[in-house]
Amino acid sequence: GAVVSQHPSWVICKSGTSVKIECRSLDFQATTMFWYRQFPKQSLMLMATSNEGSKATYEQGVEKDKFLINHASLTLSTLTVTSAHPEDSSFYICSARDQEGQGDFLGYGYTFGSGTRLTVV
Amino acid sequence: AQKITQTQPGMFVQEKEAVTLDCTYDTSDPSYGLFWYKQPSSGEMIFLIYQGSYDQQNATEGRYSLNFQKARKSANLVISASQLGDSAMYFCAMRENSGGGADGLTFGKGTHLIIQP
Repeated sequence: GAVVSQHPSWVICKSGTSVKIECRSLDFQATTMFWYRQFPKQSLMLMATSNEGSKATYEQGVEKDKFLINHASLTLSTLTVTSAHPEDSSFYICSARDQEGQGDFLGYGYTFGSGTRLTVV
Repeated sequence: AQKITQTQPGMFVQEKEAVTLDCTYDTSDPSYGLFWYKQPSSGEMIFLIYQGSYDQQNATEGRYSLNFQKARKSANLVISASQLGDSAMYFCAMRENSGGGADGLTFGKGTHLIIQP
């Protein structure tokens, strides 16, 4: 089945520094990847849609300059948290749509990475 | 208004019993997809089951089945013969058709299911 690798699985950084999180589709090409954020004991919130070869689409309220997304190839999307602050501490998880459908395009599988736990101190 | 509502923050169920996790949704799109995911404490999101809005039959995947009541906009997950390993957070999610094919999922707040021996 489709596999999405996310790295690192956890990271601790100092306030003011930048952190890059990678999301790779290992056995399929992903023209679209999604980045979610999850605070403790809360739901996943879509942050942005990453499109290969074009600019990412950000959800309302998500700062584009703070969360930089690059989708330079069909297998790699990166999320960079710039000038991180303690309030950016969260669980970040990516997802990619593989094209193995379940009968209609709405059901195309969303494979998730294992997530990155970011702690800013 | 919330698009996905899960009204059970937490549930305790005896092992081997069946459990129903509630999910209601709100959309004006005639075409949409509904998903259930399991998230253990490790954080990974495990896909369980999918139901398309035009599917005539309720989806089933092993011990998981989806009780889809379209008129009520309800998509409850039923787990038969629960096991200790079923203890986890469960999220209901929806994908709407309005985005033209590239939208992400909208998740509910989740239900924390604990299976007791």
